[in-house]
Amino acid sequence: AQSVTQLDSQVPVFEEAPVELRCNYSSSVSVYLFWYVQYPNQGLQLLLKYLSGSTLVKGINGFEAEFNKSQTSFHLRKPSVHISDTAEYFCAVSEGGNDYKLSFGAGTTVTVRA
Amino acid sequence: NAGVTQTPKFQVLKTGQSMTLQCAQDMNHEYMSWYRQDPGMGLRLIHYSVGAGITDQGEVPNGYNVSRSTTEDFPLRLLSAAPSQTSVYFCASSSKYGYTFGSGTRLTVV
Repeated sequence: AQSVTQLDSQVPVFEEAPVELRCNYSSSVSVYLFWYVQYPNQGLQLLLKYLSGSTLVKGINGFEAEFNKSQTSFHLRKPSVHISDTAEYFCAVSEGGNDYKLSFGAGTTVTVRA
Repeated sequence: NAGVTQTPKFQVLKTGQSMTLQCAQDMNHEYMSWYRQDPGMGLRLIHYSVGAGITDQGEVPNGYNVSRSTTEDFPLRLLSAAPSQTSVYFCASSSKYGYTFGSGTRLTVV
């Protein structure tokens, strides 16, 4: 079974500064990887996903993530954040194939300050 | 708009009461699932279904029942609500390559 560890529970950052959210996973098979964002009092929105191919994945709102198989990581980055990026971010993994079950990390709360 | 519809959005129950959280999707996805979200714990899988008539338990199934009589609908039943079931519940519908989540049901058990 797969599991996901988000290494930071809270990340404060100033507006226009870069941000990196760290995610490590464990799995014995090939995986699909996802980042979701949850704005206050809203549902989950897909930011980006890695299924196969290029290890650098670009998503919405200027976010990107890099899949590193040797380090079993899928870190999320944005070069310049805005106040509107204040949200909770979840890393998730599924083992692909015929297993659709998603396992989520505990979440990282990003607070952007002016 | 295509997507996942959850009802109700908010609910307060007394301990011991029963209720059903509704979930419907119009994307013709075979796979549907229910998660609960609790602070500091991310989302945890309660039950899932790989198609009509097929359901299975996830990580935290105790206290919940599901059924899948049609492809579109996947209701979650709380048979006897407990305060530990106070949470935000999300239904999801998915193909192999992507998940669509409902807007959530905030449930409080007093």
